[in-house]
Amino acid sequence: RKEVEQDPGPFNVPEGATVAFNCTYSNSASQSFFWYRQDCRKEPKLLMSVYSSGNEDGRFTAQLNRASQYISLLIRDSKLSDSATYLCVVNVNNAGNMLTFGGGTRLMVKP
Amino acid sequence: SAVISQKPSRDICQRGTSLTIQCQVDSQVTMMFWYRQQPGQSLTLIATANQGSEATYESGFVIDKFPISRPNLTFSTLTVSNMSPEDSSIYLCSVEDMATETQYFGPGTRLLVL
Repeated sequence: RKEVEQDPGPFNVPEGATVAFNCTYSNSASQSFFWYRQDCRKEPKLLMSVYSSGNEDGRFTAQLNRASQYISLLIRDSKLSDSATYLCVVNVNNAGNMLTFGGGTRLMVKP
Repeated sequence: SAVISQKPSRDICQRGTSLTIQCQVDSQVTMMFWYRQQPGQSLTLIATANQGSEATYESGFVIDKFPISRPNLTFSTLTVSNMSPEDSSIYLCSVEDMATETQYFGPGTRLLVL
């Protein structure tokens, strides 16, 4: 079993749609969680951290369920510019040096 | 966040040769990392580059194949030695961000081995 698992997609959605990605992790000792965004032929960039209480940043909402060991990302009112691969990332020791990356979920937003 | 640059941005190399990739950060950072991202795959950590000591390699990666230097707190190099086509990949350096407990990435080096 992979340490961090994601549905690879692609998720094809029309502009304005709401789309949600889930990610599961296997290490119950994991301390912190993140979503990164990676555009084609670019480096991954931090999208948002995921807090136990859930957090929202504009159209993006991240949730963490420690009991079930999954993380979600919700994107509302999808834009064409949201098309990218979304990487679920788990940090085991909170020191920034033990990041484990999921395989990524590809999102394609169409006009 | 730190500004990270990598050189070269891309290269095409012959098998059996070696390539050294440079990573420069605009501020002093404690921890620097090297990752590989093979086509269609996610990121795999190669090693942690430690300033003043040998790099710490992850399972499946060895110093003879991927020697790393870290001469100071703003610079590191990764060498891909005795390359084969299987080494064709994107190589990314990253730095730890203490405030967010995560990492920021350089733009990557796209390597094609023929």
